[in-house]
Amino acid sequence: GQNIDQPTEMTATEGAIVQINCTYQTSGFNGLFWYQQHAGEAPTFLSYNVLDGLEEKGRFSSFLSRSKGYSYLLLKELQMKDSASYLCAVRDGDYKLSFGAGTTVTVRA
Amino acid sequence: ETGVTQTPRHLVMGMTNKKSLKCEQHLGHNAMYWYKQSAKKPLELMFVYNFKEQTENNSVPSRFSPECPNSSHLFLHLHTLQPEDSALYLCASSQEGPSGPETQYFGPGTRLLVL
Repeated sequence: GQNIDQPTEMTATEGAIVQINCTYQTSGFNGLFWYQQHAGEAPTFLSYNVLDGLEEKGRFSSFLSRSKGYSYLLLKELQMKDSASYLCAVRDGDYKLSFGAGTTVTVRA
Repeated sequence: ETGVTQTPRHLVMGMTNKKSLKCEQHLGHNAMYWYKQSAKKPLELMFVYNFKEQTENNSVPSRFSPECPNSSHLFLHLHTLQPEDSALYLCASSQEGPSGPETQYFGPGTRLLVL
């Protein structure tokens, strides 16, 4: 089966930077997604990486290294509203999407 | 505002009840999905429909029965559920492109409690 690992919880201060790591072992690879999910709400799409390197979108950036089976999501200038669960998801060789268990980020004032 | 809606948002049912969850997408997508999300666990894919045809049944017990009457609507019929089926049930949709399915967009989910 597919294996996707990410830390369970992270805490950071408002205005700081937090990096959420995701490692994966899948049968084939067709892209990696990051989603944000606030408690009781739908997961919302944040970013997509299919080639190695960094993708930047405002305060959020996502990095991918396919040879290492590794990605990270970087959240800069943290705001209280960034407190949420962040889900790493990998699309395998059959284009099936497998999710990690999510990282709960708590932003403190 | 999400283009995928789900009703009801919350549901409490006994083990002998029959209920249905509804999902509707307004994004013009041609693929729809049911996921189960339990506390502290990864999202589990349950069913996939492409062009109204079921293409994936991820070893889901028969007490869960999906129905996709058209590419915009998806149902999950529930009967004789167990307490361990209590979870958040998420619907998603995507567009099937020439290189496979594209980004999935999720509905807000139905929080199900089985007593």
